[in-house]
Amino acid sequence: EVQLLESGGGLVQPGGSLRLSCVASGITFSSFAMSWVRQAPGKGLEWVSGAAGRGDDNRNYADSVKGRFTISRDDSKNTVYLQMNSLRADDTAVYYCVQDGGWSAYEFFQNWGQGTLVTVSS
Amino acid sequence: VMTQSPATLSVSPGETATLSCRASESVGSTLAWYQQRPGQAPRLLIYHASTRATGVPARFSGSGSGTEFTLTISSLQSEDFAIYYCQEYNNWLRTFGQGTKVEIK
Repeated sequence: EVQLLESGGGLVQPGGSLRLSCVASGITFSSFAMSWVRQAPGKGLEWVSGAAGRGDDNRNYADSVKGRFTISRDDSKNTVYLQMNSLRADDTAVYYCVQDGGWSAYEFFQNWGQGTLVTVSS
Repeated sequence: VMTQSPATLSVSPGETATLSCRASESVGSTLAWYQQRPGQAPRLLIYHASTRATGVPARFSGSGSGTEFTLTISSLQSEDFAIYYCQEYNNWLRTFGQGTKVEIK
């Protein structure tokens, strides 16, 4: 069974930083691309960032977070990270860790974590 | 841009629900559908426009290609009342539709 366990969410002031982590089990982690998808309260789903698998360095970001967020992965720890800097109120959302359906940046989202809530407020 | 219709669909248990998703430009068959029940994470239902994900009941079916796609849910069960999202993965932006809420009539 695939499990994706997120951590690192919480309350942060505007302009602050947070680092989300997601540990995966039940999959050959290095073989899959991993993504972060967020959902603002009462709103729909928004893809945030993705990191290709198989040792590929391809990293992609939504325009809304480009230059502020950084995705990384440590295949030795089966973990993907999202470093979030210069946080704004409109970054407030549940952040889901997602295992893509394959290794590339052009995949559907096969398995989802339960999400971690990030609240940006003073 | 992915556009879903209707925004809300009222259906009685046991009936069939038909949800639509339109892409602003052709995405071939790179279209997925997700279900999100209240308070839960989304769940993959359909990928490649018509392939059911592991464990998804046969009452869920997807069709279409290019710019027009349909998710059909036959014989609606109580656990099927949820929000459904389509998503294209023809490019790395992976854009979602705004969702269709299927509610009990």
